[in-house]
Amino acid sequence: GAVVSQHPSWVICKSGTSVKIECRSLDFQATTMFWYRQFPKQSLMLMATSNEGSKATYEQGVEKDKFLINHASLTLSTLTVTSAHPEDSSFYICSAQQGFNEKLFFGSGTQLSVL
Amino acid sequence: RKEVEQDPGPFNVPEGATVAFNCTYSNSASQSFFWYRQDCRKEPKLLMSVYSSGNEDGRFTAQLNRASQYISLLIRDSKLSDSATYLCVVNLVVVGSSNTGKLIFGQGTTLQVKP
Repeated sequence: GAVVSQHPSWVICKSGTSVKIECRSLDFQATTMFWYRQFPKQSLMLMATSNEGSKATYEQGVEKDKFLINHASLTLSTLTVTSAHPEDSSFYICSAQQGFNEKLFFGSGTQLSVL
Repeated sequence: RKEVEQDPGPFNVPEGATVAFNCTYSNSASQSFFWYRQDCRKEPKLLMSVYSSGNEDGRFTAQLNRASQYISLLIRDSKLSDSATYLCVVNLVVVGSSNTGKLIFGQGTTLQVKP
C-alpha cells in the first residue's frame, strides 16, 4: 500500500525555537496533504489543508503565522512550528491524499515536546 | 455540538465478547464514512469504510444510517489485540476550486479487551 513518511518521529526543543516537520509521500503523488494535531486523550484536530503549489487553508483558530505550511511539490509538505512554546507540545500527524475523495494515508506522527 | 460524536468509553470487555460502538455526525452533507483504529501514540490506521448497505470484514461489521446520521461498528469474538482506540471519521467535501474533502475525526472510543 501507499506509504507516507513523516520525520522526525519526536523532537525536544527549547521554548522560542522553530521546528520543522516533513511529510513525504513515497510512492504516489499527493495532490492534497493534511496536518493534524492531537493532544493526549483527545481526537485528531485538523489544522490545515494544503494543495501543491497553493497556499494552505487553515482551520479556524489555527494561526497561519505560527504554523507555516509549505507544499512545494507533489511528494513533500512541511510544517514549521515557529517560536514554539510549551503549549505547542503535542502529537502532529500528516496525511496525504492522491486525489479527490481518495483514501488517506497517514504519516507515523511527530511527538513535539517544548521545554 | 461536535461534528462527530462518540462515547469515549473506555469499554472493558472479556476476550470473546461482542462489543458495539456508536457514532453520530451533525453535517448531513457528509459524503463518506470510515472507522479508523489508533494505538497509543501511533498514526490512525484505516479499519474499514462504512456503507449504507452495511459491510463486514471478518469479525468487524460497520453500518451507516444516513437518515439518523448514525454510524456503528460491531466487533465479534474480541481478541486482546483489538485493544485500541476506535475513531469514527467523516469525510466532508469542501466545495471550491479544488473540491477538497477533509476528514473530521471523532474523539475516539477506547476498547480494552481483558483475558
